[in-house]
Amino acid sequence: KAGVTQTPRYLIKTRGQQVTLSCSPISGHRSVSWYQQTPGQGLQFLFEYFSETQRNKGNFPGRFSGRQFSNSRSEMNVSTLELGDSALYLCASSLTSRSNTGELFFGEGSRLTVL
Amino acid sequence: DQQVKQNSPSLSVQEGRISILNCDYTNSMFDYFLWYKKYPAEGPTFLISISSIKDKNEDGRFTVFLNKSAKHLSLHIVPSQPGDSAVYFCAASGLGRGSQGNLIFGKGTKLSVKP
Repeated sequence: KAGVTQTPRYLIKTRGQQVTLSCSPISGHRSVSWYQQTPGQGLQFLFEYFSETQRNKGNFPGRFSGRQFSNSRSEMNVSTLELGDSALYLCASSLTSRSNTGELFFGEGSRLTVL
Repeated sequence: DQQVKQNSPSLSVQEGRISILNCDYTNSMFDYFLWYKKYPAEGPTFLISISSIKDKNEDGRFTVFLNKSAKHLSLHIVPSQPGDSAVYFCAASGLGRGSQGNLIFGKGTKLSVKP
């Protein structure tokens, strides 16, 4: 079955602009999480959505927001971009059954460069 | 404050030998630990996990050991192969199965297996 799909794969923005990233989870997965990966900080949790509701939120400013649609697809938005927002943004989906071990299935990521 | 620490940014091993990747954590409430492998330009992929009620889990060439008293886990790869060269992330979960999308990741260890 198809994996997690993220679009766009690469994008370049300038400071002050905003960006929207999209994620389509594996079919049947209802939980979608977003992570930011930077060389110095590793993978940092942004937020998690389940059934269109945000379940958890990491320690990021309000400029970072997200949403999930009824088909489980998710988008994240970053407004008023800063140079430090340059990173690889990873989306991950997971099952929500009680048998799940916490394994996340990651997409290939969206590489954002802010100039 | 890092809750999951991978103190070795890099590790170089000869093909056929054992690779040992280490991970320390500070939060005793973590009840599930996972290892992910990441190749350049790809998203992380799940490798192996262990529940806090166990001290060892084995899957082929990969074994994870958990020492709860020391809050330490390690990933052993035997024998190491050049294709194992990647960045390995240790991750922990402790919010219960209802919030499994929130994994706390270490910063990763880059493993290089030399032929």
